[in-house]
Amino acid sequence: ELKVEQNPLFLSMQEGKNYTIYCNYSTTSDRLYWYRQDPGKSLESLFVLLSNGAVKQEGRLMASLDTKARLSTLHITAAVHDLSATYFCAVEGTSGTYKYIFGTGTRLKVLA
Amino acid sequence: EAQVTQNPRYLITVTGKKLTVTCSQNMNHEYMSWYRQDPGLGLRQIYYSMNVEVTDKGDVPEGYKVSRKEKRNFPLILESPSPNQTSLYFCASSLGHGPGEQYFGPGTRLTVT
Repeated sequence: ELKVEQNPLFLSMQEGKNYTIYCNYSTTSDRLYWYRQDPGKSLESLFVLLSNGAVKQEGRLMASLDTKARLSTLHITAAVHDLSATYFCAVEGTSGTYKYIFGTGTRLKVLA
Repeated sequence: EAQVTQNPRYLITVTGKKLTVTCSQNMNHEYMSWYRQDPGLGLRQIYYSMNVEVTDKGDVPEGYKVSRKEKRNFPLILESPSPNQTSLYFCASSLGHGPGEQYFGPGTRLTVT
């Protein structure tokens, strides 16, 4: 059974600080996705990581993928209040299925 | 505007009363999917469709039905809703036949009493 685990589940951090969210998964998939969800809103795509060693950056967020370790990280640099949201990683199912499995999410709160 | 739409956005119903939540996308996407979001459980996939007339179960399909008669539409049917189906539901679509990067609808908050 494919499992996707994120940690931490909750993260409260000061503005200006750095932190990393971790996403571990149990399949051999080499495709991983990060999404953001603002309170009361839908999900929007942040990053698409399609191969081992992939790194994507957008503003203060940087995502990377290590398929050998089955690990993706979402690094936050010099956090600002606007980054407060819930972040999800998601992985495609293994060959033969077209499932999509989300992690439980990390709720990030950036304190001014 | 490229989008995924869902209707209704909010619904309160009673146990056993059949309901349908519609989902439509105007991006000519092949793959469509339904998820439910519950506190502490993240998003769980209910059903997905890789193409017209091709659907398959996700991780939590019990109590739900879907159909994909047209490319743009993917309705979610609850034949006999129960209180444990109270949840926030999202429809999503992606370009290829596989899951890929998904575009989400605004969500439907369903309460079953």
